[in-house]
Amino acid sequence: EAGVTQSPTHLIKTRGQQATLRCSPISGHTSVYWYQQALGLGLQFLLWYDEGEERNRGNFPPRFSGRQFPNYSSELNVNALELEDSALYLCASSLDLSTTDTQYFGPGTRLTVL
Amino acid sequence: AQKVTQAQTEISVVEKEDVTLDCVYETRDTTYYLFWYKQPPSGELVFLIRRNSFDEQNEISGRYSWNFQKSTSSFNFTITASQVVDSAVYFCALSEANGEGGSEKLVFGKGTKLTVNP
Repeated sequence: EAGVTQSPTHLIKTRGQQATLRCSPISGHTSVYWYQQALGLGLQFLLWYDEGEERNRGNFPPRFSGRQFPNYSSELNVNALELEDSALYLCASSLDLSTTDTQYFGPGTRLTVL
Repeated sequence: AQKVTQAQTEISVVEKEDVTLDCVYETRDTTYYLFWYKQPPSGELVFLIRRNSFDEQNEISGRYSWNFQKSTSSFNFTITASQVVDSAVYFCALSEANGEGGSEKLVFGKGTKLTVNP
């Protein structure tokens, strides 16, 4: 069974541009989570989607946004990129919001903002 | 507020040594879940174990064992007879119940970088 997949693997942008990161959950999973792992800041929760709805949001500015598609894949958009947005962005999926399923992570997208 | 503390930033051991990674958590909830993940240099977080707050049984899986103690809010991880392939960053994480039967976002500790030397 395929795990969580993310694309692209690496993304290089310049300050002020927009970045779009994509995630496909494990088949059968409806919940998708996004986390940011920036140097020195650890792993921080960004967004949680389930059944196409945003369920929770971490302490990030509105220029971080996303959506979940009918096939449960998800997109994270970062507008007006800043240098400090450089980080590894990890996507995770779990079965759904009504079970205590584990979150399984993808390989991440490394975003570099120049 | 939830908080996870991994006091050990880096640990270095020689192969075959036993090593324990500490994790202390804070939560006001009575129902919560604790996790350990491994992050090798490739970056992907690999799930190792999940415990819920009602199950204080310790667990052993091969060379890995976990000691969950609610009285001290700790969930420590021991690797017996460490190997070079165990070198990675290990994260402890906490998740609370989301009110709909499932669990919420993960709150991670800062991680412990383990280096196992040959």
